[in-house]
Amino acid sequence: AQSVTQLGSHVSVSEGALVLLRCNYSSSVPPYLFWYVQYPNQGLQLLLKYTSAATLVKGINGFEAEFKKSETSFHLTKPSAHMRDAAEYFCAVSDQAGGSYIPTFGRGTSLIVHP
Amino acid sequence: KAGVTQTPRYLIKTRGQQVTLSCSPISGHRSVSWYQQTPGQGLQFLFEYFSETQRNKGNFPGRFSGRQFSNSRSEMNVSTLELGDSALYLCASSLGGALGANVLTFGAGSRLTVL
Repeated sequence: AQSVTQLGSHVSVSEGALVLLRCNYSSSVPPYLFWYVQYPNQGLQLLLKYTSAATLVKGINGFEAEFKKSETSFHLTKPSAHMRDAAEYFCAVSDQAGGSYIPTFGRGTSLIVHP
Repeated sequence: KAGVTQTPRYLIKTRGQQVTLSCSPISGHRSVSWYQQTPGQGLQFLFEYFSETQRNKGNFPGRFSGRQFSNSRSEMNVSTLELGDSALYLCASSLGGALGANVLTFGAGSRLTVL
């Protein structure tokens, strides 16, 4: 069965600092991986997705993530944080295990950006 | 094009009552998934409908049910409400093909409070 672990329920950074949100997955087959962002009082929206085309994936708003099969990781980074990046971030994995493509989400990481 | 629309956005019910939530997917999307989001459990998958048929189901009691209409609009129903059903209920639509790379587009959610 697939699973996702997001290390750290809260991450706090200063504006302009590097953002690193960690995600490790467990999947018995090559996975599809996603990062979604949720702003207050809104639904989730896609930041980026990995579909095996390239290990470094660029998303919206300056975010990118690198797929590392040996580490079963898909960490999300952004070189310089902005106040508007403050939100909840979810990593998700989807594979064909069990015949279903329903993504499994991590518990989420709340990004706090200090001025 | 219009996004995923969920109604109502907020509602308050008392224990024992039932509730129906509605979701209108993006035009052309045939799959509708429902998730329950709570601070303690994160995002938990309820069920997925594709072309009016329930294609996948999460681990929730039978009090939680859903359906999808021919125009892909979906409703979910929770009967005999319990305090623990208080949550944000998110609907997501996608094209729905048997592809692990399917991207979900989420609505803003329906926030249910059970008193």
